Amino acid sequence: DAKTTQPPSMDCAEGRAANLPCNHSTISGNEYVYWYRQIHSQGPQYIIHGLKNNETNEMASLIITEDRKSSTLILPHATLRDTAVYYCIVRVAQYRIPGGFKTIFGAGTRLFVKA
Amino acid sequence: AAGVIQSPRHLIKEKRETATLKCYPIPRHDTVYWYQQGPGQDPQFLISFYEKMQSDKGSIPDRFSAQQFSDYHSELNMSSLELGDSALYFCASSLATSGGSEQFFGPGTRLTVL
Repeated sequence: DAKTTQPPSMDCAEGRAANLPCNHSTISGNEYVYWYRQIHSQGPQYIIHGLKNNETNEMASLIITEDRKSSTLILPHATLRDTAVYYCIVRVAQYRIPGGFKTIFGAGTRLFVKA
Repeated sequence: AAGVIQSPRHLIKEKRETATLKCYPIPRHDTVYWYQQGPGQDPQFLISFYEKMQSDKGSIPDRFSAQQFSDYHSELNMSSLELGDSALYFCASSLATSGGSEQFFGPGTRLTVL
């Protein structure tokens, strides 16, 4: 799986958009970009994933550059409860290999949302 | 909606003892993953099961074993516990036929080895 690079920490004011960048310059054509987050000592939580098109769900938006070498997770209106470690992960959608979706967590970005 | 259930939530053991952690996946999910997260570290993949067969293996010590049962719940058995085994252990489940894109994590079991 491709390696990702994220800033170690970021601050965001409550109510503002939080934009979390991720570099994955060695991503392969069949690898997806996934985002998870982990609120202190809780189980990681899936946020969103995409291949090459921008994606949006009720939690966040994912913007992937045209060359797919980087992406940005956007939390449109950050709240204090969004304070967490955010992990950007790239991996093959191994749908032909059931059970092959292990998640390799990198260092992640620690997002602090401040009042 | 039903989530992944893990038991116990907290466990305290002495060195050289054994421990069994249990994981109950979301109903209809057929794939289970186990992760270990040491203090201040990121979660590390241990092992996974699909349809009761081991499907992938990570950095799981030989002292650990796991299995998935006919009802799809899974157990992680840990023997000859060491101080370094103190960690949060997460279980995650997914549905293989959906592509397995989303893994749903449980709340974790905090194991403390004294």
